[in-house]
Amino acid sequence: DSGVTQTPKHLITATGQRVTLRCSPRSGDLSVYWYQQSLDQGLQFLIQYYNGEERAKGNILERFSAQQFPDLHSELNLSSLELGDSALYFCASSPGRVREDYGYTFGSGTRLTVV
Amino acid sequence: AQSVAQPEDQVNVAEGNPLTVKCTYSVSGNPYLFWYVQYPNRGLQFLLKYITGDNLVKGSYGFEAEFNKSQTSFHLKKPSALVSDSALYFCAVRDGGSYIPTFGRGTSLIVHP
Repeated sequence: DSGVTQTPKHLITATGQRVTLRCSPRSGDLSVYWYQQSLDQGLQFLIQYYNGEERAKGNILERFSAQQFPDLHSELNLSSLELGDSALYFCASSPGRVREDYGYTFGSGTRLTVV
Repeated sequence: AQSVAQPEDQVNVAEGNPLTVKCTYSVSGNPYLFWYVQYPNRGLQFLLKYITGDNLVKGSYGFEAEFNKSQTSFHLKKPSALVSDSALYFCAVRDGGSYIPTFGRGTSLIVHP
């Protein structure tokens, strides 16, 4: 157990629907990162939150949004789902110090299948 | 801008033999380099990092990596491979001005008994 908890582990939904993925970071970590892993695109950075505030944005679609709550857990919302959104979605956390010399701690991921 | 390349999709090695998984990078400043391993149905696990200092970095599970500035490479190595080392390996890089590393596409390591 890495200390980063992601729920649910698996999600099957239909096109056009909306889903929410949840992540609890490792105890003491202030930064949460969301990544999408697919066979054709590899591991793509979506967005980072630090202590409740958005810190960095990557290749995140407008249909996707995220937030980090006061208890530091984070949610990734995916709406108007398309078949191409099927992927593994990972959450990672880190202490969040200015000099990020540390590796990330990843959760086990949520496998999203859009049918 | 920062980028990383893992030129091999798959590496095959016999158990007991040395292994090398290749990684080259491009950054505008000094590189921060990382290796991660991903086992089936699991998240990525941090193996090792290079920030500064000795060019040979030792990490978890007997892995090490060699930083070569002139060749802009950071190859992952292990003197004697185990079947249990079979997994997907990711190299990542960021420059000093970025908070977010860029990951390579991953290299599948298969260790044959």
